[in-house]
Amino acid sequence: AQSVTQLDSQVPVFEEAPVELRCNYSSSVSVYLFWYVQYPNQGLQLLLKYLSGSTLVKGINGFEAEFNKSQTSFHLRKPSVHISDTAEYFCAVSLYSSASKIIFGSGTRLSIRP
Amino acid sequence: GAVVSQHPSWVICKSGTSVKIECRSLDFQATTMFWYRQFPKQSLMLMATSNEGSKATYEQGVEKDKFLINHASLTLSTLTVTSAHPEDSSFYICSARDRDKRIEAFFGQGTRLTVV
Repeated sequence: AQSVTQLDSQVPVFEEAPVELRCNYSSSVSVYLFWYVQYPNQGLQLLLKYLSGSTLVKGINGFEAEFNKSQTSFHLRKPSVHISDTAEYFCAVSLYSSASKIIFGSGTRLSIRP
Repeated sequence: GAVVSQHPSWVICKSGTSVKIECRSLDFQATTMFWYRQFPKQSLMLMATSNEGSKATYEQGVEKDKFLINHASLTLSTLTVTSAHPEDSSFYICSARDRDKRIEAFFGQGTRLTVV
C-alpha cells in the first residue's frame, strides 16, 4: 500500500522569503507524485506532477519540487513567497494507472506574514 | 481545459432528507471519478472510486447504502447522501481522470453540506 507523510502541519514564513514544504512517500512500486493547492472553501488545483524523467519539476505560480528516489521524498519549494500563496498544500501519490486512486498527505498550511 | 464542475457549491438540508451532489467533467470524458470527504482543517478522505458503467468501489468504513454513487455517463457522477444526519455535515469533493489517460486528477470546487 502507498502512503504519504507531510511532516509539517503548519509553516509560517515572511513574505518574499523562501519556503520548503516537505513530503515523504512510501510504496513498494513506482508511483506518480503530485502537489495540489487548496484555497479556502474551494477544490484542489494541481501545482505540479512527477511522472518520470527529470527529477526537478517546475509547476505553476513559481513552485518547483524535486523527486528523490533514495530518500523517497518530493519536497515543494518556492524561492520567494507572496501573500497570495497562503493556502493548504497537499502532497499526493498514485499508482501507474488512470484507475488508481490518489492518496493524499495530511496537508501543510502555509501562512505568509507581511 | 480539464474542468470539473460540482453542483451545488453549498446546501443545507433537514435531518432525514436526501441530498444529491453532481460532478461533471465539462471538456473531457472521465473514465474514473473519485469522491472525497474533508473535515475542517483535515486532509481529503477517499470515500469511493467509480468507473463509468460499473458499481462504485467504496473504501473501508464508508457505508455504501448511505452514500449512493452513480456514474452513469463519461461526464457525470452523482453522490446521494441518504437520510442525512448532522454528522454527515462536511465538505465533499469530487475529482475525475480522463479517458485520454492524463494521470493527474482534476477536482471540482467542492460542496459544503450542512444538515440541521
